[in-house]
Amino acid sequence: QQQVKQSPQSLIVQKGGISIINCAYENTAFDYFPWYQQFPGKGPALLIAIRPDVSEKKEGRFTISFNKSAKQFSLHIMDSQPGDSATYFCAASPQGRNDYKLSFGAGTTVTVRA
Amino acid sequence: DSGVTQTPKHLITATGQRVTLRCSPRSGDLSVYWYQQSLDQGLQFLIQYYNGEERAKGNILERFSAQQFPDLHSELNLSSLELGDSALYFCASSVGGANTGELFFGEGSRLTVL
Repeated sequence: QQQVKQSPQSLIVQKGGISIINCAYENTAFDYFPWYQQFPGKGPALLIAIRPDVSEKKEGRFTISFNKSAKQFSLHIMDSQPGDSATYFCAASPQGRNDYKLSFGAGTTVTVRA
Repeated sequence: DSGVTQTPKHLITATGQRVTLRCSPRSGDLSVYWYQQSLDQGLQFLIQYYNGEERAKGNILERFSAQQFPDLHSELNLSSLELGDSALYFCASSVGGANTGELFFGEGSRLTVL
């Protein structure tokens, strides 16, 4: 059972466009929401993360929007570049003493066309 | 380079066989996590070790086992292999403290069961 539901499965965007990926969760114990980026042949790498005490976090062209009441969060990639072509995973985790058992979404493959 | 080392990178074996995947975490990281990535299941959490002790368990089959050694490296043992076990197996590590949530992933071990 997928604890974090992610959509869309894939998307194609033109260079300079905006990519939007959405995630939803049910477990109210989740309080850490990272996004990971994975290039072919590589392991996932942390891109940006948010905790529920803020509604938005921006790092460069990447922005996470968080809606605690709706239990939804999304990743916006502004001014998408061909180098952003990758698979993006949202994830969620409850805060534990020494436990960051991340539950991942199914992933979204983003293709940026030049 | 995440600093997490996984071996072997590729492994081809037959049904019914047993294999061992090895992971060396980043220097100083006490937590090791194992994830299975397949096309239709995304990233599935298998098991976490913290400083040698099992900390959390996910959807790990009884045919699979893992351990973390005193030098903090970890091994994932997969036995009585089935075709459906073919997947990419990732190891990740983290400091393990409550204030950080970043997992550092290795490049994975691709297992093919024929």
